[in-house]
Amino acid sequence: GQQVMQIPQYQHVQEGEDFTTYCNSSTTLSNIQWYKQRPGGHPVFLIQLVKSGEVKKQKRLTFQFGEAKKNSSLHITATQTTDVGTYFCAPLNFNKFYFGSGTKLNVKP
Amino acid sequence: SQTIHQWPATLVQPVGSPLSLECTVEGTSNPNLYWYRQAAGRGLQLLFYSVGIGQISSEVPQNLSASRPQDRQFILSSKKLLLSDSGFYLCAWALGSGSSYEQYFGPGTRLTVT
Repeated sequence: GQQVMQIPQYQHVQEGEDFTTYCNSSTTLSNIQWYKQRPGGHPVFLIQLVKSGEVKKQKRLTFQFGEAKKNSSLHITATQTTDVGTYFCAPLNFNKFYFGSGTKLNVKP
Repeated sequence: SQTIHQWPATLVQPVGSPLSLECTVEGTSNPNLYWYRQAAGRGLQLLFYSVGIGQISSEVPQNLSASRPQDRQFILSSKKLLLSDSGFYLCAWALGSGSSYEQYFGPGTRLTVT
């Protein structure tokens, strides 16, 4: 499958601080998706990026796809306790998804 | 709207016993269906994927098998469970074309093999 590396593995922030997770691939990706999994829950689709250099925003979340389509990032501005969870990137390869290992975010109130 | 069901929510089974987990999707036709396993605190491992009735692609050689007897039904099975089969099993469906594709997950089954 298509391997991606996600960093960092864990991130602890104070509420109000920003947070960024990165997803890196050694090969060009056609499509990358981001998911959030709350503790004890199932992954929930957040966004899909397809175009080189694409930037999409959802309120305090900003998603980017690199120019070379080999990396992607998710940035959260002014974290809130509701942002707690694990964030996964998942590139798409011939209708199959290969999830990254995830970044677990903990937000201290 | 589309809905995906999985049952049971939790399951405790002894080593060597059989397994059958079922997933059904409502509100869509001919979806691609997926089974994933997630070990505690880890990422999602793709186990099986299906593009249609009777069509199963296995991603990882293992103690498990999958079947798709109907368009919106996906079943994960094992004849004899191993301790290493413990985990969180997630079913997902997706529809799309080309490079535009979104995936939606069911609530999952937490399996503990003792």
